[in-house]
Amino acid sequence: KAGVTQTPRYLIKTRGQQVTLSCSPISGHRSVSWYQQTPGQGLQFLFEYFSETQRNKGNFPGRFSGRQFSNSRSEMNVSTLELGDSALYLCASSPGRGDRLIGEPIHKQETQYFGPGTRLLVL
Amino acid sequence: QKEVEQDPGPLSVPEGAIVSLNCTYSNSAFQYFMWYRQYSRKGPELLMYTYSSGNKEDGRFTAQVDKSSKYISLFIRDSQPSDSATYLCARARYSWGKLQFGAGTQVVVTP
Repeated sequence: KAGVTQTPRYLIKTRGQQVTLSCSPISGHRSVSWYQQTPGQGLQFLFEYFSETQRNKGNFPGRFSGRQFSNSRSEMNVSTLELGDSALYLCASSPGRGDRLIGEPIHKQETQYFGPGTRLLVL
Repeated sequence: QKEVEQDPGPLSVPEGAIVSLNCTYSNSAFQYFMWYRQYSRKGPELLMYTYSSGNKEDGRFTAQVDKSSKYISLFIRDSQPSDSATYLCARARYSWGKLQFGAGTQVVVTP
């Protein structure tokens, strides 16, 4: 199976602009999570989508939003970019809960497979 | 104060040595504890996970969780240069879709 793909891989924007990042999960995976990784704060959870619904949300301002499509592909949008938004944005997919078999080890459904990330630089 | 504390390193060890990595955390309402490995310019990949307290071994890797001390450890035996990477501890309550990560420790194994 192909892994998680993210586009674009690199992006340069200026303050005040907006940006949309895309994530294509592993085929059959229904859960997609987004994280921001910076040297100072490490990996921080942004949000999780499952079957087109936002299931969890992190502590980021409303400028950060996301959505998931019926084919499980996901996008995240950052409006009014700030210098501090410069980071590596990672998405991860997993099969997700919903059809887990009784006795099945949890990692079969829950293991997060990360993409290579989109590196965003805000000038 | 971050909820999951991890020394960022770098931690440099000679090939064949034991690598010892630790995290401490606050708030005990988490059931799953993981270790991820991240190579440069790559996304993290799951190494091991533990449910609640206890030890788990997988080849050269051993993960330990002590919930009473709020301590998570990873040991790498017979370290190899290919083990050079950043190691991140993480935890989750029930669903793994929302993970809390430590800062990550950069490990360098020198030949």
